[in-house]
Amino acid sequence: DIQMTQSPSSLSASVGDRVTITCRASQGISNYLAWFQQKPGKAPKSLIYGASNLESGVPPNFSGSGSGTEFTLTISSLQPEDFATYYCQQYNSYPPTFGGGTKVDIK
Amino acid sequence: EVQLLESGGGLEQPGGSLRLSCVVSGFTFKSHAMSWVRQAPGKGLEWVSGISGSGGSTYHADSVQGRFSISRDNSKNTLYLQMNSLTVEDTALYYCARDVREILGNWYFDLWGRGTLVTVSS
Repeated sequence: DIQMTQSPSSLSASVGDRVTITCRASQGISNYLAWFQQKPGKAPKSLIYGASNLESGVPPNFSGSGSGTEFTLTISSLQPEDFATYYCQQYNSYPPTFGGGTKVDIK
Repeated sequence: EVQLLESGGGLEQPGGSLRLSCVVSGFTFKSHAMSWVRQAPGKGLEWVSGISGSGGSTYHADSVQGRFSISRDNSKNTLYLQMNSLTVEDTALYYCARDVREILGNWYFDLWGRGTLVTVSS
């Protein structure tokens, strides 16, 4: 199975900050990488697919980049509603696997 | 409104069985493969099982192979997960998730439910 490693596992930031989360795959996955946002008690929400494509309705302060084994999720200006846990997921090969998550909380 | 609503979770003893359901609305159910993904307390996400839009093809993670069975009833817009021989390691919040394609093999999930909690304990 492909292992997905996220860093950091948590971070504290302020509203307006630029935040970057990294996801590394144990082997190349081309651009078959998705990012999800999860808030307590709510359904995970898909943000980005294909490493850099925003899902419909996702605000443009979110962006994704990368290919192969290293990927990043960037929030250009953190908003109050962005405090959540973020997960990456590879869907290049079976079985689909997820990163361990990055919790973004208020500094 | 596009929605996935899971139910059927609860407290079960080791060795017991549970059947989870996921009722969907707001989209053409048979046009999408579906999966179950779980999250143990304090842990990350783990894909469990997947089924094609027609129901003719299924996959299960090694950790549940032979114990869990995924199925669907397209006439009822409902996805199921039959869980047998439960162990404490199966304790988790179970989400149903929609695949963007009808056939299995894509594994990108664009829509998720809120989950149903399964607790396995004596």
